[in-house]
Amino acid sequence: ETGVTQSPTHLIKTRGQQVTLRCSSQSGHNTVSWYQQALGQGPQFIFQYYREEENGRGNFPPRFSGLQFPNYSSELNVNALELDDSALYLCASSSDQGSSYEQYFGPGTRLTVT
Amino acid sequence: AQSVTQLGSHVSVSEGALVLLRCNYSSSVPPYLFWYVQYPNQGLQLLLKYTSAATLVKGINGFEAEFKKSETSFHLTKPSAHMSDAAEYFCAVSAPTGGSYIPTFGRGTSLIVHP
Repeated sequence: ETGVTQSPTHLIKTRGQQVTLRCSSQSGHNTVSWYQQALGQGPQFIFQYYREEENGRGNFPPRFSGLQFPNYSSELNVNALELDDSALYLCASSSDQGSSYEQYFGPGTRLTVT
Repeated sequence: AQSVTQLGSHVSVSEGALVLLRCNYSSSVPPYLFWYVQYPNQGLQLLLKYTSAATLVKGINGFEAEFKKSETSFHLTKPSAHMSDAAEYFCAVSAPTGGSYIPTFGRGTSLIVHP
């Protein structure tokens, strides 16, 4: 069973640029959630995708957008990068099967905006 | 609406001592509750979860947590700390929101273990 993977591991971008982060969900999982974790903080929910449709969104501006593909992998896109976007971006996958909603996290992508 | 409060941003214990990390939650419906651990430069790993079954939940690495509805708490404990337990710990609450479960995380507690 393959776990959740994310790419790239680290990324440095300049303010105003655009970035795409990628996530491959765990085998058998049809739901992907994205989180932003600023230094010293807990993860903040960005949005969730279920079977290729957005299924919930946190308090993030529209320049944060996403996609989920038929194989349930996902992308997070951030336009017009700001310095405050510097953070660890975590992807988590889960399944709608079973009685609990347990998420499995990837190792994250560390984004630095200069 | 749901929220989580973790009391104490840092907890320091000696190796072999009891570990107690506090978590209080707020939820308008019966919640699922989770504890995650995060080691430096890594993602989150699930320690244990409460899903309305037994109120005392046992997890990995000797950790356990007790759900107390009257106190809206879900504190994490371990009888004897090990140096390898030093990490960041996050409590999370998850309740159905519009048909999906969106977890809300606390700010985290850094566990420091002294030799």
